[in-house]
Amino acid sequence: EPEVTQTPSHQVTQMGQEVILRCVPISNHLYFYWYRQILGQKVEFLVSFYNNEISEKSEIFDDQFSVERPDGSNFTLKIRSTKLEDSAMYFCASGELGNTIYFGEGSWLTVV
Amino acid sequence: EDQVTQSPEALRLQEGESSSLNCSYTVSGLRGLFWYRQDPGKGPEFLFTLYSAGEEKEKERLKATLTKKESFLHITAPKPEDSATYLCAVQARNYGQNFVFGPGTRLSVLP
Repeated sequence: EPEVTQTPSHQVTQMGQEVILRCVPISNHLYFYWYRQILGQKVEFLVSFYNNEISEKSEIFDDQFSVERPDGSNFTLKIRSTKLEDSAMYFCASGELGNTIYFGEGSWLTVV
Repeated sequence: EDQVTQSPEALRLQEGESSSLNCSYTVSGLRGLFWYRQDPGKGPEFLFTLYSAGEEKEKERLKATLTKKESFLHITAPKPEDSATYLCAVQARNYGQNFVFGPGTRLSVLP
């Protein structure tokens, strides 16, 4: 069964360092998403991506965040200068227009 | 304001004790309501999609229903392996492609 894969599963980084989280969406999907979940809190929308550009983003997704689809398979989230409050589980998801989205297992980011 | 709420926050059931989880939403132009299961430290796992009031979907011990204001996830004769957090999410016209999640219901099924 096709699935969304994410790497790394866990990353510890120093405050102020850059982090790149990687995702391989399901191959025939056209919509890609990043969500995050701070421990014990709701799953929160960060950004959606379609046709090689950002289609929507939340208030959380400020200038320190960026997304990229560098080739036909990978979808990345970059956090330029990490803060303590960026510590969270980051989920990549993919789907088709107006349809269900499927999530990866997440990348747990710890900023120290 | 909260647009997707879930109740109860937590629920403990004995094995075999059926119950229902609630997801209430206040959005206009609902495109779809989605139920996911989330185990600790894992990503949300898709369960059901419901598109219109009156629709029902079933899978093993789970059944999801939808009205114009809320959705229920009915769990019949649950087993300990059904223990997880159950999340609902909505996609609506004013959200674009975004899925808005509720806070979840944490279900524990005791043997």
